[in-house]
Amino acid sequence: QQQVKQSPQSLIVQKGGISIINCAYENTAFDYFPWYQQFPGKGPALLIAIRPDVSEKKEGRFTISFNKSAKQFSLHIMDSQPGDSATYFCAASVFRGARQLTFGSGTQLTVLP
Amino acid sequence: GAVVSQHPSRVICKSGTSVKIECRSLDFQATTMFWYRQFPKQSLMLMATSNEGSKATYEQGVEKDKFLINHASLTLSTLTVTSAHPEDSSFYICSARVAGGSPQHFGDGTRLSIL
Repeated sequence: QQQVKQSPQSLIVQKGGISIINCAYENTAFDYFPWYQQFPGKGPALLIAIRPDVSEKKEGRFTISFNKSAKQFSLHIMDSQPGDSATYFCAASVFRGARQLTFGSGTQLTVLP
Repeated sequence: GAVVSQHPSRVICKSGTSVKIECRSLDFQATTMFWYRQFPKQSLMLMATSNEGSKATYEQGVEKDKFLINHASLTLSTLTVTSAHPEDSSFYICSARVAGGSPQHFGDGTRLSIL
């Protein structure tokens, strides 16, 4: 199975709050898990990515938590800001080779001022 | 760095015409380029993967005679939608990467509207 399941479909958070988006995968061959941010009318931009050799990776306000045994990973956005309002996609691929991405269904995040 | 430019950003044309979309890697040589299609409020669906100088590999259900992909150089790939019809209207996005550990870098997409 190539599917990557993402939840929630939409999320509303107050400014300063924590936004949490979850993803689950089925293909145990996946070993590269990036998160992308997409604004309307734009292409996705890479936010942060993780590989299974670590359980957590942090870059600024963005943190990926990874649970290999559960085949789940999540994005935490700390101190969420109105400028973070966008659609977020998790993805998964095999690190070697062409690295074709399988995307989750996306989460529309709205951060209220 | 790692800028991918896509042109045009928007195109409106009549049913039956062919439309060409260009994808360029501006500051790196892309060994692999990808073409995606995205419907409103939906995820990106991979259409095809192309390596420079080789034929593109299409995903299941994507008509290769309908969506012609050319990857003639390490910095340019083109997608031609042949004999476009209203159902081909969508947001088309390309991405590019180099071999090894680099991630995919995405263009800003092309909004195609077929009347």
